[in-house]
Amino acid sequence: NAGVTQTPKFQVLKTGQSMTLQCAQDMNHNSMYWYRQDPGMGLRLIYYSASEGTTDKGEVPNGYNVSRLNKREFSLRLESAAPSQTSVYFCAIATSRHEQFFGPGTRLTVL
Amino acid sequence: GENVEQHPSTLSVQEGDSAVIKCTYSDSASNYFPWYKQELGKGPQLIIDIRSNVGEKKDQRIAVTLNKTAKHFSLHITETQPEDSAVYFCAASPINTGNQFYFGTGTSLTVIP
Repeated sequence: NAGVTQTPKFQVLKTGQSMTLQCAQDMNHNSMYWYRQDPGMGLRLIYYSASEGTTDKGEVPNGYNVSRLNKREFSLRLESAAPSQTSVYFCAIATSRHEQFFGPGTRLTVL
Repeated sequence: GENVEQHPSTLSVQEGDSAVIKCTYSDSASNYFPWYKQELGKGPQLIIDIRSNVGEKKDQRIAVTLNKTAKHFSLHITETQPEDSAVYFCAASPINTGNQFYFGTGTSLTVIP
């Protein structure tokens, strides 16, 4: 996971609260991703950013917003958290050869 | 969109035996197929990948094979060790037409000492 950092590592929210998950890379790659991981469902893409200033929806974007602040940072925002958003969230980058490297994850619980 | 299926969901092998995990994909535009290992509490880690112009790739005890005609690819781990115990994910990506990756649902591998 070297090179991709995520904060926070753990978070507990109440239904309706908002929060932002932060992701930063120190490898200067264009492509960044946000995934959620739920038991038995693998990794599902929420949003991705092919380059600074661009973002695109993935498979499960509802309830989330993203911001590619600069080349280094890609944040994921939950405006009004719901229990269905309880999950482990991973940020990832992709190199020019398409190799993906993941951060350590954020474990989010929504009560 | 792409659909990646992965089997089996769980796999137990004796130390020293081989393990094989299989994935199928649906979109013929997919041309990059990585495999990830995820240990408990950590993010997935890329362990090997294969591109569609290659049929087989090997890295020490790990090998991946690709059959483009049948749209399936497999991970082979030989001489398994207890530290190989983890969850393994396959993925497919059409690198010529987009940046998205599509993941299988994972295989929990247990190597019994």
